[in-house]
Amino acid sequence: GNSVTQMEGPVTLSEEAFLTINCTYTATGYPSLFWYVQYPGEGLQLLLKATKADDKGSNKGFEATYRKETTSFHLEKGSVQVSDSAVYFCALSVRNNQGGKLIFGQGTELSVKP
Amino acid sequence: GAGVSQTPSNKVTEKGKYVELRCDPISGHTALYWYRQSLGQGPEFLIYFQGTGAADDSGLPNDRFFAVRPEGSVSTLKIQRTERGDSAVYLCASSLGGKVTEAFFGQGTRLTVV
Repeated sequence: GNSVTQMEGPVTLSEEAFLTINCTYTATGYPSLFWYVQYPGEGLQLLLKATKADDKGSNKGFEATYRKETTSFHLEKGSVQVSDSAVYFCALSVRNNQGGKLIFGQGTELSVKP
Repeated sequence: GAGVSQTPSNKVTEKGKYVELRCDPISGHTALYWYRQSLGQGPEFLIYFQGTGAADDSGLPNDRFFAVRPEGSVSTLKIQRTERGDSAVYLCASSLGGKVTEAFFGQGTRLTVV
């Protein structure tokens, strides 16, 4: 079946530290991969995406590279800010004729301290 | 409206009761999705509408759960004979043309069954 596994949280970092949140997936076929972010009190938002192997998605200083050989899509940021504190979800989209649905990992809470 | 609106934001109900959760999608969005997010977990797909019809209801856990979208806009998720295990945040999302990758999520309805 299709599934996504993320590193467990919470992750606590100091401002300007380097961030990595690991994500690996299992999928039949060729999925698209995503990172979503849920800020406190807000709805889930798409952060970045990659649709084929070796693609790099990037947004707001965050990056993730679609690695087919290791079935991974790790999220990285070189220097985190307090405002990055949120819950991050890795997800994949499995295509079908009726439109895709998203399969999410369990989420990783990030807390950035000043 | 400007975004996906879900009402109520919080709902507490007694075990065995019937509940309805409402979703107002972004105007003009033909696709609508319902997800359920249990505590400490990522969102799980429930059902996807394209227009008025349910294009994929494979995520509905059992026949106590039902959703409608009679006019292709507002959707209602209905849960009969609620159980404590139904407690979760129910998320709604909408998108143009059925691309879940471009979906906008609402803030969710937190359902607590006591």
